[in-house]
Amino acid sequence: GENVEQHPSTLSVQEGDSAVIKCTYSDSASNYFPWYKQELGKGPQLIIDIRSNVGEKKDQRIAVTLNKTAKHFSLHITETQPEDSAVYFCAAKRNGANNLFFGTGTRLTVIP
Amino acid sequence: ETGVTQTPRHLVMGMTNKKSLKCEQHLGHNAMYWYKQSAKKPLELMFVYSLEERVENNSVPSRFSPECPNSSHLFLHLHTLQPEDSALYLCASSQTLMGANEKLFFGSGTQLSVL
Repeated sequence: GENVEQHPSTLSVQEGDSAVIKCTYSDSASNYFPWYKQELGKGPQLIIDIRSNVGEKKDQRIAVTLNKTAKHFSLHITETQPEDSAVYFCAAKRNGANNLFFGTGTRLTVIP
Repeated sequence: ETGVTQTPRHLVMGMTNKKSLKCEQHLGHNAMYWYKQSAKKPLELMFVYSLEERVENNSVPSRFSPECPNSSHLFLHLHTLQPEDSALYLCASSQTLMGANEKLFFGSGTQLSVL
């Protein structure tokens, strides 16, 4: 099955700086890569996703890049704000499968 | 508010108790899921239901018993649990099965402690 590795496990940045979280996957048939944000006391919420037919997608201050050859994808958050503090999960799924394979999460702390 | 509501938010139970977790989605979705979230581990898919039919059971012990009476409600019945079953149990829904539409909407979870 798929194996998704995520780094770092914790990340602290100053407000206004950028944050980057990286994930690698093992199954070359995976073609869908979402990112979820989990705030304290809440369930994960989808913040951005990318499919294997594109290399980059951007939505305001967040962007995701995908390198299919290297089998890794990254989340980039620019101009970080305290409300960006949360645990972020990457995931991967192959076409037709019912299961998302998640990474172990990155706890991001934005220091005011 | 994600449109997926889970109750209770917290549950403490002994190993011999029987309890149930409830999930309700107000999104008109046809697929519902149970996930287990343990510290420092990836989310683990437990069960998948599509239009009230179970389509996936990821080798979950029989002490966990799911029930989906309709497409808006999902239950997880618990009995004779072990301390290692302590975790956050998350319910999620999607418009259709993941293969067709991948966006999952999660509830806030039930934090379960087994003593």
